[in-house]
Amino acid sequence: GENVEQHPSTLSVQEGDSAVIKCTYSDSASNYFPWYKQELGKGPQLIIDIRSNVGEKKDQRIAVTLNKTAKHFSLHITETQPEDSAVYFCAASPYSGGGADGLTFGKGTHLIIQP
Amino acid sequence: KAGVTQTPRYLIKTRGQQVTLSCSPISGHRSVSWYQQTPGQGLQFLFEYFSETQRNKGNFPGRFSGRQFSNSRSEMNVSTLELGDSALYLCASSLGPGLAVYSSYEQYFGPGTRLTVT
Repeated sequence: GENVEQHPSTLSVQEGDSAVIKCTYSDSASNYFPWYKQELGKGPQLIIDIRSNVGEKKDQRIAVTLNKTAKHFSLHITETQPEDSAVYFCAASPYSGGGADGLTFGKGTHLIIQP
Repeated sequence: KAGVTQTPRYLIKTRGQQVTLSCSPISGHRSVSWYQQTPGQGLQFLFEYFSETQRNKGNFPGRFSGRQFSNSRSEMNVSTLELGDSALYLCASSLGPGLAVYSSYEQYFGPGTRLTVT
């Protein structure tokens, strides 16, 4: 089955700086890669996603890049703000168009924004 | 549009008992997936339902089961509870298969049900 590795487990950055979280996956059949943000006491919130026919996607301060050859994808957050502090999860799925196959998640990155 | 709702939010059960958790998906979403979240194992996929049928299943024992109703609401059941079943159980809804739209990939999570087994 699919295996997703996520690094680092904890990331502390100064407010206003950029943060980068990296993930690798093992199953070449995976073609859908979402990122989730989870705040304390809440469920994961979808913040951005990318499919394997796209190399990069951007949404305001958040961007995701995908290298299908190397089987890795990354989340980039620019101009970090205190409200960006949370746990971030990457995930992968072999979505075939037949439905939402189960997501395989990384272990999460605790992002801390220092004022 | 209302998000995914899960009830109850908190549960305390005794080892050996059984429990039923409920999930109401976003209006118009026809697929419901269930995940278990623990500090040690992280987020793990349990199963997915669409049109009242289980479409996909993760690597969990048969004590974990679910079902989906005609209105897309879903329930999951855990029988013969073990201490290791203590976790946050999350439900996620999505549009479902057969739709040639990008958004059909997207899964939206509810707040979860925190189950404690003593």
